[in-house]
Amino acid sequence: QKEVEQDPGPLSVPEGAIVSLNCTYSNSAFQYFMWYRQYSRKGPELLMYTYSSGNKEDGRFTAQVDKSSKYISLFIRDSQPSDSATYLCAMAMNTGFQKLVFGTGTRLLVSP
Amino acid sequence: DAGITQSPRHKVTETGTPVTLRCHQTENHRYMYWYRQDPGHGLRLIHYSYGVKDTDKGEVSDGYSVSRSKTEDFLLTLESATSSQTSVYFCAISDHGAYEQYFGPGTRLTVT
Repeated sequence: QKEVEQDPGPLSVPEGAIVSLNCTYSNSAFQYFMWYRQYSRKGPELLMYTYSSGNKEDGRFTAQVDKSSKYISLFIRDSQPSDSATYLCAMAMNTGFQKLVFGTGTRLLVSP
Repeated sequence: DAGITQSPRHKVTETGTPVTLRCHQTENHRYMYWYRQDPGHGLRLIHYSYGVKDTDKGEVSDGYSVSRSKTEDFLLTLESATSSQTSVYFCAISDHGAYEQYFGPGTRLTVT
């Protein structure tokens, strides 16, 4: 079993929809939770990170962490065709040297 | 791409030849990382550096070596390239910890 699981998709939605992207994890020691966006043939771009549990909002993006369920989500409101990309979740512990553990990514397609 | 360049951007090489990839940053960040990205595996850490001349192994370090003689440069060397090292290689940097990593544009390496 992988430490971080992510549905590969693709997830297809119409423009304007609310998108929910999710990851589950098995290591309860993870304390940092990140979301990256990666366009085709580009490097991953950090969207946001949260520490421990709770929500964090940045514009149309909201990250949510439920440590009791070992489940994290990224919500995208009013999705746009420019949001079409692969979304990677990543996690790190808070002890020692923090190494990121990545999910394999979910491909999102937003149609006009 | 947050002041990070990678060179070359594309390379085709033959099995058994040595290959060096370069990562250059202009952000003066302390930490630098090398990842490889493969379908079904996501991003996996090869090596990382926590300062000049200070490096350590990641989860897939076999067949790779690194060097960091200056803050701004982190080199990844494949001593004798194999077809299993065909991949996209990303460099990343961070200053506050693994939870805030910024990625370069990537190098697409093909070993024939």
